Amino acid sequence: AQSVTQLDSHVSVSEGTPVLLRCNYSSSYSPSLFWYVQHPNKGLQLLLKYTSAATLVKGINGFEAEFKKSETSFHLTKPSAHMSDAAEYFCVVYAGNNRKLIWGLGTSLAVNP
Amino acid sequence: KAGVTQTPRYLIKTRGQQVTLSCSPISGHRSVSWYQQTPGQGLQFLFEYFSETQRNKGNFPGRFSGRQFSNSRSEMNVSTLELGDSALYLCASSLDGTSSYEQYFGPGTRLTVT
Repeated sequence: AQSVTQLDSHVSVSEGTPVLLRCNYSSSYSPSLFWYVQHPNKGLQLLLKYTSAATLVKGINGFEAEFKKSETSFHLTKPSAHMSDAAEYFCVVYAGNNRKLIWGLGTSLAVNP
Repeated sequence: KAGVTQTPRYLIKTRGQQVTLSCSPISGHRSVSWYQQTPGQGLQFLFEYFSETQRNKGNFPGRFSGRQFSNSRSEMNVSTLELGDSALYLCASSLDGTSSYEQYFGPGTRLTVT
């Protein structure tokens, strides 16, 4: 069975400091992994995706994530946080055998001035 | 291209009533998925429609149903509303079956059941 765990429900950083949002997954198949972002009162937006190509994936707004099979992790990072990064972030694994997206519970990112 | 649109954006209903939510996918997208989002449960998958057929289903009671029309627009219906149905209902569209994991979301319909 596939599952995804976001290790922190809430992360707070100062503007200009690095961001790390942690995600571990479990999958019986070669997974496809995604990070989505949800800003307040806005729809979900795809940040980046891993689909078995390069293990370091670059996304929009300076975010990137590294797929580490040995650690079953797909952590999201950004070198320098901006106030506009404050949002809810979701790690998602695609269960290819039944075509379902399995969603983490989300990590709320706060960026302090 | 216009994005995914959902109507209405906000809805207040009373327990026992029924409700219909509408979703128009991005032009050319044939797959539409529905999710329920609540603070405690995160995003829960309801169902997916592709070419007017329900292709996938989550673990929700039969009170939750949906359909898709020939133009790919989709509706979901919840009958006999319960307080616990209060949530943000999100619709997502994707191009076709092989890339259904890359989804584009609408802004959602906020349903409040009183």
